[in-house]
Amino acid sequence: QQQVKQSPQSLIVQKGGISIINCAYENTAFDYFPWYQQFPGKGPALLIAIRPDVSEKKEGRFTISFNKSAKQFSLHIMDSQPGDSATYFCAASSKRNKLVFGAGTILRVKS
Amino acid sequence: DTGVSQDPRHKITKRGQNVTFRCDPISEHNRLYWYRQTLGQGPEFLTYFQNEAQLEKSRLLSDRFSAERPKGSFSTLEIQRTEQGDSAMYLCASSPRGDEQFFGPGTRLTVL
Repeated sequence: QQQVKQSPQSLIVQKGGISIINCAYENTAFDYFPWYQQFPGKGPALLIAIRPDVSEKKEGRFTISFNKSAKQFSLHIMDSQPGDSATYFCAASSKRNKLVFGAGTILRVKS
Repeated sequence: DTGVSQDPRHKITKRGQNVTFRCDPISEHNRLYWYRQTLGQGPEFLTYFQNEAQLEKSRLLSDRFSAERPKGSFSTLEIQRTEQGDSAMYLCASSPRGDEQFFGPGTRLTVL
């Protein structure tokens, strides 16, 4: 079954804090795991992505941690800023095909 | 702007009417995807093209939906006999290889 489960549904973090969003998948054929950021009225924007041959990838304040055996991956946003307030989606794909998305996490960073 | 563009950005129509949306992908991206996103949900895959060939269609894509990419460049998504349940954001994405997918701003459809 191609499904990606995302948690939490919403998250409130103080400015400067760490935001953590988790995702779990079932299909072991998935080989690409991106995170997207979406602002109201806009299309999703690719933030960072990882493949299962590495356990962690960092780009600026954004880090993906990947646990292949647990079939879980997470997004960490360090030093969260009010401008990071958005909806975040994890996704997964297999063999460069369609993306299967999680339900999203609404992040609010309080200043 | 060299990103994915979609037209129109908003469309309001009456139930039973036909609508057509256009997507212009990033130049030289040979893969083009259509997704549908309803409020509070993640995007759901509808269909995708590699060049002009339509390679996969979701079960969500009923026979009222049709998509084309006639010359392997822009794509159109048509919905015939629209229903209120078709109200959603229709997103287009393009990709050079199929992994990194870059989304357009979407077309918001409201069916009255």
